[in-house]
Amino acid sequence: ETGVTQSPTHLIKTRGQQVTLRCSSQSGHNTVSWYQQALGQGPQFIFQYYREEENGRGNFPPRFSGLQFPNYSSELNVNALELDDSALYLCASSLDQGVGEQFFGPGTRLTVL
Amino acid sequence: GEDVEQSLFLSVREGDSSVINCTYTDSSSTYLYWYKQEPGAGLQLLTYIFSNMDMKQDQRLTVLLNKKDKHLSLRIADTQTGDSAIYFCAERRGGATNKLIFGTGTLLAVQP
Repeated sequence: ETGVTQSPTHLIKTRGQQVTLRCSSQSGHNTVSWYQQALGQGPQFIFQYYREEENGRGNFPPRFSGLQFPNYSSELNVNALELDDSALYLCASSLDQGVGEQFFGPGTRLTVL
Repeated sequence: GEDVEQSLFLSVREGDSSVINCTYTDSSSTYLYWYKQEPGAGLQLLTYIFSNMDMKQDQRLTVLLNKKDKHLSLRIADTQTGDSAIYFCAERRGGATNKLIFGTGTLLAVQP
């Protein structure tokens, strides 16, 4: 059974650019949730994907968008990057809309200059 | 509001017990979790408790839940230097997404 993986591990972008982050869910899991963790804070829920559809969204603007693929891996896209988007982005893999345990990947550290 | 509250810092000596406290907000939350985060790493699920339980023990970890006061605690027995990390409690809100609402984290420093 493979765990949750994310790529890349680190990324540096400049304001106004776009970024795509990737997450491979744990084998057998059909739900991926994305969280943003700013420095010194707890993770904040961005959105969740279940069976390739967005299944709930936190308080993030539309320039945060995502996709889930038939193999249940997922992408997080952020357009028009702002300095405050600098954070650790975590994905969590689970079954059936997060009913069971949610297992987190190691995260992608995004720095916006 | 959505705030889950934790104290910011706890320092203990190796071999002592650590108790990390958390106050959550939603009485309808179904599960409550404890995650551990080491520097530069993701979140490691330590343990969780269902809201109809008041205690759960798992090796060195004991979780106590006071649903009336919406208070959750994590006790680590025989704390080791490897336990030094940030500990997050999280509540799972109901609804379709079962999103997790996290506290701000407690930094546990274990002195040798």
